[in-house]
Amino acid sequence: DIQMTQSPSTLSASVGDRVTITCRASQSISSWLAWYQQKPGKAPNLLIYKASSLESGVPSRFSGSGSGTEFTLTISSLQPDDFATYYCQQYNSYSGTFGQGTKVEIK
Amino acid sequence: QLQLQESGPGLVKPSETLSLTCTVSGGSISSSNDYWGWIRQPPGKGLEWIGTIYYSGSTYYNPSLKSRLTISVDTSKNQFSLKLSSVTAADTAVYYCARHPSIVGAPGWYFDLWGRGTLVTVSS
Repeated sequence: DIQMTQSPSTLSASVGDRVTITCRASQSISSWLAWYQQKPGKAPNLLIYKASSLESGVPSRFSGSGSGTEFTLTISSLQPDDFATYYCQQYNSYSGTFGQGTKVEIK
Repeated sequence: QLQLQESGPGLVKPSETLSLTCTVSGGSISSSNDYWGWIRQPPGKGLEWIGTIYYSGSTYYNPSLKSRLTISVDTSKNQFSLKLSSVTAADTAVYYCARHPSIVGAPGWYFDLWGRGTLVTVSS
């Protein structure tokens, strides 16, 4: 199985901050990576697919980059609605695995 | 607008079989572009893909659950279902059904539309 490791596990930030979350794969996954946002009690919401493609309807302050084994999700200017947990997911194999999550908290 | 809704018992006894159904509304489960999957999330923990089915009945299972898992589809009802046998407390989780698009060239898939999820507790 491909292991996905996110860092940090928790991130404290203020409204307006630029925020970066990292996801590392245990082996190369090309660009087969998605990012999700999850709020408490809600289902995950797709933000990014194929490492850098923005899902329709997702604000442009979200962006993704990377390939191979290292990926980043960047929020250019953190908004109140962005405080949530973020997950990466590889789909280089059909048994796609998720990272453990990064919780973005209010500083 | 396509929507997914999970249904099933919220409490299952240890060693019994967990059964859930996902109803697809606002569109057809027989779309050639879509696959249908189950994902779970234990309380306070991360996400785990369980398995996936295509409207034709082709299935893909998480190897760690394969021996206990059956996923089926009923196109006449626009539903797909999950059965997980011999459950233990470790199977307690919020279970989500989700859609993932057929992606040309991709080895796997991501999930672009999710149900709201249903909590299943395994306890006597």
